[in-house]
Amino acid sequence: DARVTQTPRHKVTEMGQEVTMRCQPILGHNTVFWYRQTMMQGLELLAYFRNRAPLDDSGMPKDRFSAEMPDATLATLKIQPSEPRDSAVYFCASGDTNQAYGYTFGSGTRLTVV
Amino acid sequence: AQSVTQLGSHVSVSEGALVLLRCNYSSSVPPYLFWYVQYPNQGLQLLLKYTSAATLVKGINGFEAEFKKSETSFHLTKPSAHMSDAAEYFCAVTGSGNTGKLIFGQGTTLQVKP
Repeated sequence: DARVTQTPRHKVTEMGQEVTMRCQPILGHNTVFWYRQTMMQGLELLAYFRNRAPLDDSGMPKDRFSAEMPDATLATLKIQPSEPRDSAVYFCASGDTNQAYGYTFGSGTRLTVV
Repeated sequence: AQSVTQLGSHVSVSEGALVLLRCNYSSSVPPYLFWYVQYPNQGLQLLLKYTSAATLVKGINGFEAEFKKSETSFHLTKPSAHMSDAAEYFCAVTGSGNTGKLIFGQGTTLQVKP
């Protein structure tokens, strides 16, 4: 089965450090989402891309978060500087232009900022 | 704009009993609707989807959902709960336009008692 691959699976870092999370979407998928999941807020959409171009990043704190797609096989989410409140599970999902097919999620990156 | 409301953050049923998880949506365009399941420490897995074809949709693991436009609902059901169904369930909506933005409800945790 095709899958979305996220790395790392777990990350513990100190406050103030830079964190980079990576996502390899399914080959051929042109839409990529980044979500953050916490107990308090549930699943929040941070940003999404179509054909590598950002369509909406209104859910992302702009001062410290950035999302990019350097090429069609890699999406990155960067936090600089990280803060304890960024502790969450970050999910990447990919799909194609016809959203009727639904989206495939990766296993997530569990980030802990101490 | 789209939004989703899941009624009941926790649902508890006995093994073998009917499972009913409620989802109501709001959408300014004809919606596509999805149910995802999340097992502990895993990503989200697509259970089933409604994309304007049949209003009664069958998914994996014996789940089904019925789209009711008049009630703006897309409730998830399973005739007989199994212990392995214990998980968190998310309803999601996206517009049938070309935006592709997938919006999730807050999730419902299903507990299955022996």
